[in-house]
Amino acid sequence: DAKTTQPPSMDCAEGRAANLPCNHSTISGNEYVYWYRQIHSQGPQYIIHGLKNNETNEMASLIITEDRKSSTLILPHATLRDTAVYYCIAPNQGGKLIFGQGTELSVKP
Amino acid sequence: KAGVTQTPRYLIKTRGQQVTLSCSPISGHRSVSWYQQTPGQGLQFLFEYFSETQRNKGNFPGRFSGRQFSNSRSEMNVSTLELGDSALYLCASSLPGQNTEAFFGQGTRLTVV
Repeated sequence: DAKTTQPPSMDCAEGRAANLPCNHSTISGNEYVYWYRQIHSQGPQYIIHGLKNNETNEMASLIITEDRKSSTLILPHATLRDTAVYYCIAPNQGGKLIFGQGTELSVKP
Repeated sequence: KAGVTQTPRYLIKTRGQQVTLSCSPISGHRSVSWYQQTPGQGLQFLFEYFSETQRNKGNFPGRFSGRQFSNSRSEMNVSTLELGDSALYLCASSLPGQNTEAFFGQGTRLTVV
């Protein structure tokens, strides 16, 4: 798996966009970037994944740089329920996810 | 459709005992992975099963084992429990294929006393 680096914590005001960065400079050409989040004591929740094009779904947008060395997860209108630990992962083996420490996002009123 | 179901949700065991945890994947998902989460080590990969065969294994001692049945349901077993095995054990299922998302259950909280 490619190593990923994320800031340990971030704050965001409710209603504003939350932009969570991730560096994955060692990612190889066929490795996707996945984002999961974990709300306290619950199982991780899949958010989005992408290879090289930007992706959007009902939860978030994923912006991947052209060189694929970094990406940004965007929650367009953060709510208090988005407070969680966000994990950026670049697995290279189907079912094996290597979780780092993630970014603890606090959404404040 | 139903999500990943893990049973039991909570468990208390004594040191030296053994424990079996169960995971029912989402219908149609044939890959099941297990993870251990502790405050000190975070989320760590235990093993992955696909079509009743272990396909990947993490760096855990042999006391941790698992299996998968023909209906894709999976169990993991921990023998000779130690205090350090107290953790949240999470199961995830996914469709076959390299680049598919994994869906996690709510976990089993194991406390070893």
